[in-house]
Amino acid sequence: EPEVTQTPSHQVTQMGQEVILRCVPISNHLYFYWYRQILGQKVEFLVSFYNNEISEKSEIFDDQFSVERPDGSNFTLKIRSTKLEDSAMYFCASSVQGFSNQPQHFGDGTRLSIL
Amino acid sequence: AQSVAQPEDQVNVAEGNPLTVKCTYSVSGNPYLFWYVQYPNRGLQFLLKYITGDNLVKGSYGFEAEFNKSQTSFHLKKPSALVSDSALYFCAVRDRDDYKLSFGAGTTVTVRA
Repeated sequence: EPEVTQTPSHQVTQMGQEVILRCVPISNHLYFYWYRQILGQKVEFLVSFYNNEISEKSEIFDDQFSVERPDGSNFTLKIRSTKLEDSAMYFCASSVQGFSNQPQHFGDGTRLSIL
Repeated sequence: AQSVAQPEDQVNVAEGNPLTVKCTYSVSGNPYLFWYVQYPNRGLQFLLKYITGDNLVKGSYGFEAEFNKSQTSFHLKKPSALVSDSALYFCAVRDRDDYKLSFGAGTTVTVRA
């Protein structure tokens, strides 16, 4: 069964450094998402992306964050200047359609640790 | 605005007994409702969804969920739990005019042999 894959599984970065988290969505999916889960808290929506544009973003997704689909297969989340509070598990997801009843399929996540 | 509540942090059942994980939701419009399961060191795995129609929906691994509009609930059920069902379960809601999923805090299910 097709899967969303995320790399790396664990990223350790010094505060203030830039980090890029990578995702390969399911190949026929058109909508892509990033979520995060801070330890002990709920899974929170960050951003959705379709047709090379952000379709929706949360208030968490400020100017420090950006997303990109640099080629036909990868979907990336960049954090420009990391803060301690960015430490979390980041999940990538994809779906066939956006406004539809089709579920979002999630990757196994990248654990981001900011020192 | 949309939100989900899972009132139980933990549910413990014996193998072979019925399992219920509770979820209530709040949305401004008509909801799409989902259940996901997370095993250790893995991502969120889709179990089932409610879109419209029958209030009882069936999903993977023998799970089902009952939608109750008047109580705004979407409880997950399994008639006979297995030890392998032990995991973290998340309820999620999406408004039909929205892209994002809103998740509950999760319920840890432990099934003892």
